Amino acid sequence: GDSVTQMEGPVTLSEEAFLTINCTYTATGYPSLFWYVQYPGEGLQLLLKATKADDKGSNKGFEATYRKETTSFHLEKGSVQVSDSAVYFCALSTGTSYGKLTFGQGTILTVHP
Amino acid sequence: GAVVSQHPSWVICKSGTSVKIECRSLDFQATTMFWYRQFPKQSLMLMATSNEGSKATYEQGVEKDKFLINHASLTLSTLTVTSAHPEDSSFYICSARLAGGVYEQYFGPGTRLTVT
Repeated sequence: GDSVTQMEGPVTLSEEAFLTINCTYTATGYPSLFWYVQYPGEGLQLLLKATKADDKGSNKGFEATYRKETTSFHLEKGSVQVSDSAVYFCALSTGTSYGKLTFGQGTILTVHP
Repeated sequence: GAVVSQHPSWVICKSGTSVKIECRSLDFQATTMFWYRQFPKQSLMLMATSNEGSKATYEQGVEKDKFLINHASLTLSTLTVTSAHPEDSSFYICSARLAGGVYEQYFGPGTRLTVT
């Protein structure tokens, strides 16, 4: 079955540091890949997505590139801010799953001033 | 746009009672809604997929008689936890997919259920 594996957290960084959160996947079909973010007390929000190999999703300074050869979709940001503190979820959806999302376990990011 | 609300945001109930959680899409129509359960420090686990006007599709291992899902309109789905037990205590999250949309789901803020 489909699965998503994220790097274990929590991740603690200082403001302006570089962020990488690793995400790898296994899928029976040809998946679309997503990063969702959950700020404290709020629902999950779509951060970025990529629907085919070599696509790069980007939003709010975050980027992730769909790497089919390594089955990865690592999240990066060049300079994090305190406001980026949240839980980040990598997820996939395949055409065979009718839009169902399979989530990774989530990575807690804390950014200190 | 694309706001999903849940009510209540938190609820405490006694063991053996039932509790209903509502999920509403406030500014769009959702033919499909999803219900997830999230344990502390763990990922979201899909419980069921709810399509407007039809029976919900439950994931393997989810008791359909315990977690009753109704999707009576294009903007409302409800999850009823029947005969709740302490092990049902969890964070329940719904999401809604735009009518005609394929990938993007919009998530509610979640409902914290505590069964005493």
